[in-house]
Amino acid sequence: KAGVTQTPRYLIKTRGQQVTLSCSPISGHRSVSWYQQTPGQGLQFLFEYFSETQRNKGNFPGRFSGRQFSNSRSEMNVSTLELGDSALYLCASSLDSGQGAREQYFGPGTRLTVT
Amino acid sequence: AQKITQTQPGMFVQEKEAVTLDCTYDTSDQSYGLFWYKQPSSGEMIFLIYQGSYDEQNATEGRYSLNFQKARKSANLVISASQLGDSAMYFCAMRETGTYKYIFGTGTRLKVLA
Repeated sequence: KAGVTQTPRYLIKTRGQQVTLSCSPISGHRSVSWYQQTPGQGLQFLFEYFSETQRNKGNFPGRFSGRQFSNSRSEMNVSTLELGDSALYLCASSLDSGQGAREQYFGPGTRLTVT
Repeated sequence: AQKITQTQPGMFVQEKEAVTLDCTYDTSDQSYGLFWYKQPSSGEMIFLIYQGSYDEQNATEGRYSLNFQKARKSANLVISASQLGDSAMYFCAMRETGTYKYIFGTGTRLKVLA
């Protein structure tokens, strides 16, 4: 079974631009979560989608948004990029039937650099 | 509020020895899951082990075991017979069944010495 895939793996953008990151979960997984990881702030939860609905949201500004498609693939968008958005963005999927906590499987991440 | 605390920013262990990575958590929920993940320098997070709040036995997965003490709200990871490839960042995480939210600790960087 293929793992979680994320595209692109590396991205360089300039301040003010916007970016879209993509995540394909493991087949059969309906829950997709996004995290931002930086050396200073650690791993911070952005949002989680389950069956095309945002189920949870972290404490990030509205410039960060996401969506999930009917095939469970998810995209994350960041508008008006700031230097502080430079980070490793991790996507994770989970076989979540809603009946209990299950482990997440992470993709390799997208490393975003904002200049 | 949910909280995960990892008090050891960095640890060293000699190859072939056992090491314990500490994790304490705080939650008001009765049903939750506890997880440990490994993140090598390559960046990918690797799931290691899971413990459910209602599980009476400590979870084990190969050389990994989770020392679950519910009353103390601790979920320490024990790695037996450390290998050089175990050098990585280790994260403790929790998910409340009711809210579906995952939270992660700040991580412990483990270095295995030859």
